Amino acid sequence: DAGVTQSPTHLIKTRGQQVTLRCSPKSGHDTVSWYQQALGQGPQFIFQYYEEEERQRGNFPDRFSGHQFPNYSSELNVNALLLGDSALYLCASSGGTWENSPLHFGNGTRLTVT
Amino acid sequence: GDSVTQMEGPVTLSEEAFLTINCTYTATGYPSLFWYVQYPGEGLQLLLKATKADDKGSNKGFEATYRKETTSFHLEKGSVQVSDSAVYFCALDYMNTGFQKLVFGTGTRLLVSP
Repeated sequence: DAGVTQSPTHLIKTRGQQVTLRCSPKSGHDTVSWYQQALGQGPQFIFQYYEEEERQRGNFPDRFSGHQFPNYSSELNVNALLLGDSALYLCASSGGTWENSPLHFGNGTRLTVT
Repeated sequence: GDSVTQMEGPVTLSEEAFLTINCTYTATGYPSLFWYVQYPGEGLQLLLKATKADDKGSNKGFEATYRKETTSFHLEKGSVQVSDSAVYFCALDYMNTGFQKLVFGTGTRLLVSP
């Protein structure tokens, strides 16, 4: 049973460019969340997708956008990249509430902006 | 807003030593509390959780008790192993919202030497 898979594992981009990160949730999960983990910091919630809609959003600018597909996979898009966007981006999936389906995290995509 | 504060690391211990990693929180409501662990090159894994005051979460020899009076959720283990070397994150969330949106601390790195 595959867990949460993210691609690519590493990515290097230049300031001003755009990037797309991808996530496939754990089998049976329908909700996908994205977190940003800067170096030496804890993960910060970006947004959550359920039924192809953004359900909750953290304190991130509109440059960060996402999408969820009918098969529950998800993309995170970041436009006009800044040096400060360099971080590990984590995807997490779940199939319900904390009681019956805790969050499962992927190994992340390491984004470096130069 | 809600926040989680952890002791700074790294915490360096010899094998079989006693471990304590301090965690305190500030919350507007009555959250559930979590400890996550991140091994090198991997995503976050749920270690243990407690859903209400005085609950004790435990897993793999680790324990933490939800102390409402001191707003704390300190992680303890009686005898650490080299394989416990990782980064530990304290986090909170509200289980009754229907969403899963963790607020993390900055993490504490644990280094265990033989």
